[in-house]
Amino acid sequence: AQSVTQPDIHITVSEGASLELRCNYSYGATPYLFWYVQSPGQGLQLLLRYFSGDTLVQGIKGFEAEFKRSQSSFNLRKPSVHWSDAAEYFCAVGAANFGNEKLTFGTGTRLTIIP
Amino acid sequence: DAGVIQSPRHEVTEMGQEVTLRCKPISGHDYLFWYRQTMMRGLELLIYFNNNVPIDDSGMPEDRFSAKMPNASFSTLKIQPSEPRDSAVYFCASSLSTGVRAPLHFGNGTRLTVT
Repeated sequence: AQSVTQPDIHITVSEGASLELRCNYSYGATPYLFWYVQSPGQGLQLLLRYFSGDTLVQGIKGFEAEFKRSQSSFNLRKPSVHWSDAAEYFCAVGAANFGNEKLTFGTGTRLTIIP
Repeated sequence: DAGVIQSPRHEVTEMGQEVTLRCKPISGHDYLFWYRQTMMRGLELLIYFNNNVPIDDSGMPEDRFSAKMPNASFSTLKIQPSEPRDSAVYFCASSLSTGVRAPLHFGNGTRLTVT
């Protein structure tokens, strides 16, 4: 069974500082990996996704993530955060086989931005 | 594109009452998912449909929960009878026919409170 661990429940960074949110996954084969963001009172929105190929993927809002198979990780990064990035971030893993279309989400990391 | 539409946004009910949550997916999307979000358990997949057919309902907590998709533009999640532990935010999401590779488009959720 696939699973995702987000070890940081809450992270606080200063506006303009760099950001890295951690994600570790467990899956027996090559996974599909995703990062979603949830603003207060809203549903989740896709930031970026990895299927195969280049292990560094670019997403919306200036975010990027790097797939590291050896570490079973898919960490999310942003070089300079903005106050509008304050939200909850979810990593998710999906099986790369037809007939199993569900994603398994991590428990989320809440990001607070301080001036 | 109006996005995924969920109703109601908020529902407050007494224990033992029937609750019906509604979802209109994005037109043309073949997959529909129901998720439940709580502080304790995070985001859990309850059930998903492909072309109006339930594919995996292993996440439905118990027989009190039921979901239907009578046509491509409408789905319901019903809880009967409701209990206080059902209090959560319920999300509906839809995606295109490329399965797990396709981004999930979430509605804004229904916040259910059972007293």
